[in-house]
Amino acid sequence: GAVVSQHPSWVICKSGTSVKIECRSLDFQATTMFWYRQFPKQSLMLMATSNEGSKATYEQGVEKDKFLINHASLTLSTLTVTSAHPEDSSFYICSAGRRNFGPGTRLTVT
Amino acid sequence: AQTVTQSQPEMSVQEAETVTLSCTYDTSESDYYLFWYKQPPSRQMILVIRQEAYKQQNATENRFSVNFQKAAKSFSLKISDSQLGDAAMYFCAYRTFSTGTASKLTFGTGTRLQVTL
Repeated sequence: GAVVSQHPSWVICKSGTSVKIECRSLDFQATTMFWYRQFPKQSLMLMATSNEGSKATYEQGVEKDKFLINHASLTLSTLTVTSAHPEDSSFYICSAGRRNFGPGTRLTVT
Repeated sequence: AQTVTQSQPEMSVQEAETVTLSCTYDTSESDYYLFWYKQPPSRQMILVIRQEAYKQQNATENRFSVNFQKAAKSFSLKISDSQLGDAAMYFCAYRTFSTGTASKLTFGTGTRLQVTL
C-alpha cells in the first residue's frame, strides 16, 4: 500500500519557538492532505485540509496564523506550529487521502 | 454536522473469540462512506474496513466484517477469531460522498480493545 512518512517522529521545543512537521507521500501524488491533532486517549480531530497549490482550509477553532500549512508539491505538505506553547503539545498526524496515514509526530513544548 | 458515537470506551475479548464494536452516527445525507480504523500502540492509523452507504451488502475483510443498518444509522464491527495483534484503539469514521475539501473524515471517540489469552 501507499506509504506516508512524517518527520520528525518526535520533537521537543521551547515555548515561543516554531517547529515544522513534514508529511511526505512516498509513492503517489496527493493533491489533498489532511492534518489531525490527537490528545492523549482522545480521538483524531481534523485541523485543516491541505490542498496542493492553494491555501489550506482550516476547521473552525483552528488558528490559521498559528498553524501554518504549506502544500507546495504533490508529495509534500508541511505544518508549522508558530510560537508554540505547552498547550500545543500533542500528537500530530497527517494523511494523504482517507487511507494513507503518516506515523505521527509527537510534539512536546516545554 | 455529522457526528459519530462510539458508546464503548473499552472492550475485552478472549483470543479466538468474537467481539463486536458499536458505532452510531448522525447525518442528513443519503450517500456517504463509513470506515473502521485501527490504531495500535505504535499510533499508526490503519484502515480496517470501508462501507459505501449505497451498498446494502455488508463489507467484509477476512476476519473483519460490519453490520451496516442504514435506517438505524448503525455501523458495528465484528472481529472473528480474535488475535493478540488485534489489540488496539478502534475508531469509527464517517465521510461525506462529496469530493475535495468537503470530504473530510469525522471520527468517533474510539473503543480500546483488549485481547486476553
